[in-house]
Amino acid sequence: QQQVKQSPQSLIVQKGGIPIINCAYENTAFDYFPWYQQFPGKGPALLIAIRPDVSEKKEGRFTISFNKSAKQFSLHIMDSQPGDSATYFCAASIIKPGGGKLIFGQGTELSVKP
Amino acid sequence: DAGVTQSPTHLIKTRGQQVTLRCSPKSGHDTVSWYQQALGQGPQFIFQYYEEEERQRGNFPDRFSGHQFPNYSSELNVNALLLGDSALYLCASSLGTGGFGANVLTFGAGSRLTVL
Repeated sequence: QQQVKQSPQSLIVQKGGIPIINCAYENTAFDYFPWYQQFPGKGPALLIAIRPDVSEKKEGRFTISFNKSAKQFSLHIMDSQPGDSATYFCAASIIKPGGGKLIFGQGTELSVKP
Repeated sequence: DAGVTQSPTHLIKTRGQQVTLRCSPKSGHDTVSWYQQALGQGPQFIFQYYEEEERQRGNFPDRFSGHQFPNYSSELNVNALLLGDSALYLCASSLGTGGFGANVLTFGAGSRLTVL
């Protein structure tokens, strides 16, 4: 019940394409859903996050879509660029009590071809 | 503004040895969490330290222990190393516990541990 399942494992798109990464969770107590971007040799960096009271959030070229009833959320990258090539992780946590314990998906390795 | 710094960046140990990894949190943060990231996997929560006490713990054996110092820096200790402990160990810092800020994690670049 604590798992977050992420798909696909890897994704290749052409420059300008819109890669979509999906995540599903079981624990309905989760109330914070961030996405992290990780480049080789670096730690994960927070990209964008959503709370379950909204169905969509946009920040620049990155959009999270959230479906509370289906317990699924996804990341869309608009107008993808070669510099977006990285590994993307979805995660989930419970803000209260004792927040800060993130449950991560297994990651999606994205390659954007020029 | 320095982010999260970790040391060492790489280290090699043999089975049965002990290792200590160090972390300095981002300026202004007071909570430190440690994660283990095996190759090709997502990070897994080890434990969280706040006010020099372990506040939460993931599903890791007692061989994994930690400490937080008054300046908020932290150490992760692993005893009796196993081959399966080979991984990237990530330190993350945040603000407080039990609130939204506690979930906004800033990660360091990690310490790559290889156990032979």
